[in-house]
Amino acid sequence: AQKVTQAQTEISVVEKEDVTLDCVYETRDTTYYLFWYKQPPSGELVFLIRRNSFDEQNEISGRYSWNFQKSTSSFNFTITASQVVDSAVYFCALSEGGSSYKLIFGSGTRLLVRP
Amino acid sequence: NAGVMQNPRHLVRRRGQEARLRCSPMKGHSHVYWYRQLPEEGLKFMVYLQKENIIDESGMPKERFSAEFPKEGPSILRIQQVVRGDSAAYFCASSPTGAGSADTQYFGPGTRLTVL
Repeated sequence: AQKVTQAQTEISVVEKEDVTLDCVYETRDTTYYLFWYKQPPSGELVFLIRRNSFDEQNEISGRYSWNFQKSTSSFNFTITASQVVDSAVYFCALSEGGSSYKLIFGSGTRLLVRP
Repeated sequence: NAGVMQNPRHLVRRRGQEARLRCSPMKGHSHVYWYRQLPEEGLKFMVYLQKENIIDESGMPKERFSAEFPKEGPSILRIQQVVRGDSAAYFCASSPTGAGSADTQYFGPGTRLTVL
């Protein structure tokens, strides 16, 4: 069965600290896709990244970076030099090749960045 | 370049009333998905629609819930005879293509339904 686990319910850091949000997934498919979404206090869901299972290259986008490791079924998200505006709930999600439209979300990690 | 639009943003209903949630996909997108987010939880898939077709409604409760995406106009998620347990945020997402392509889904701002 497919499953996404975000074990960290809530993380609190001080501005400028680096922070890593963990995501572990389970799937029996060899073709799958992983996503991260951000949900700021205003409530909307903002797409951050999509990665397919054949591309294990890590990605960096500004202060954001993602570490995809198939060997440990993890897709972790790091924010470097965190800012107050990074405060949000972050969701990791999985979709499988056969029913790729059905996103399976983790329960989310609430990040609080304090000034 | 408007994103996914949902209205209303907040909806209050009394038990037994009907709730109608609307979703207009991004321009050029013909695939719509509805998800429900209960308090303090992640989103759960409900239904996937293309114009005039329901492709997968496996995540939708069998009773009281229905969805449509007509040829013209927005997609509608309808909840009849609402109960307190229906209180949640309902998100709509859209993509340009659908099943088999793993297109990225872009989400609307959600409708927060409160049942009194």
